[in-house]
Amino acid sequence: GNSVTQMEGPVTLSEEAFLTINCTYTATGYPSLFWYVQYPGEGLQLLLKATKADDKGSNKGFEATYRKETTSFHLEKGSVQVSDSAVYFCALRSGGNEKLTFGTGTRLTIIP
Amino acid sequence: DTGVSQDPRHKITKRGQNVTFRCDPISEHNRLYWYRQTLGQGPEFLTYFQNEAQLEKSRLLSDRFSAERPKGSFSTLEIQRTEQGDSAMYLCASSEGATNEKLFFGSGTQLSVL
Repeated sequence: GNSVTQMEGPVTLSEEAFLTINCTYTATGYPSLFWYVQYPGEGLQLLLKATKADDKGSNKGFEATYRKETTSFHLEKGSVQVSDSAVYFCALRSGGNEKLTFGTGTRLTIIP
Repeated sequence: DTGVSQDPRHKITKRGQNVTFRCDPISEHNRLYWYRQTLGQGPEFLTYFQNEAQLEKSRLLSDRFSAERPKGSFSTLEIQRTEQGDSAMYLCASSEGATNEKLFFGSGTQLSVL
């Protein structure tokens, strides 16, 4: 079956630090990959996505590259801000169905 | 666009009682999803509607759970004979319909079963 493994948190960084949150997956076929973010008090929001191997998704300074050879979709940002503090979820969709499979989430806290 | 709204935000009930949650998706979205999230875990898929048709159900959705979307607009999720293990955040999401189109999530209904 499909599964997503995320870097365990919580992660605490200083403002302007480099961020990496690791995500690896197991899936049948060729999945589409997503990062969702949940800011405090808000619903989950799509941050970025990639639908085929070697695609790079990007949004708000965040990037993730779909690596089929390592089954990974790591989230990166060059310089984080306090406003990036949130919980980040890696997810995949595979097999032609509508179900999203999520990782356990990584709580990120950025300190000034 | 007022977003996906869920009601109530919080529900406390006693074991064995029935509860019903409501979800109002974004008005032009024809796909609606229910997920469940427990503390420290990611959301888990429960079921999905396209318009009024329920097209996919997870094995997590036992016979105590039922979901409807009678006119292809709002949806309800009912849990009968609640158990303590049902305590979770129940999330609703909607999308316009194309595969891989992004999901818009509501803020969820937090259920506590005492």
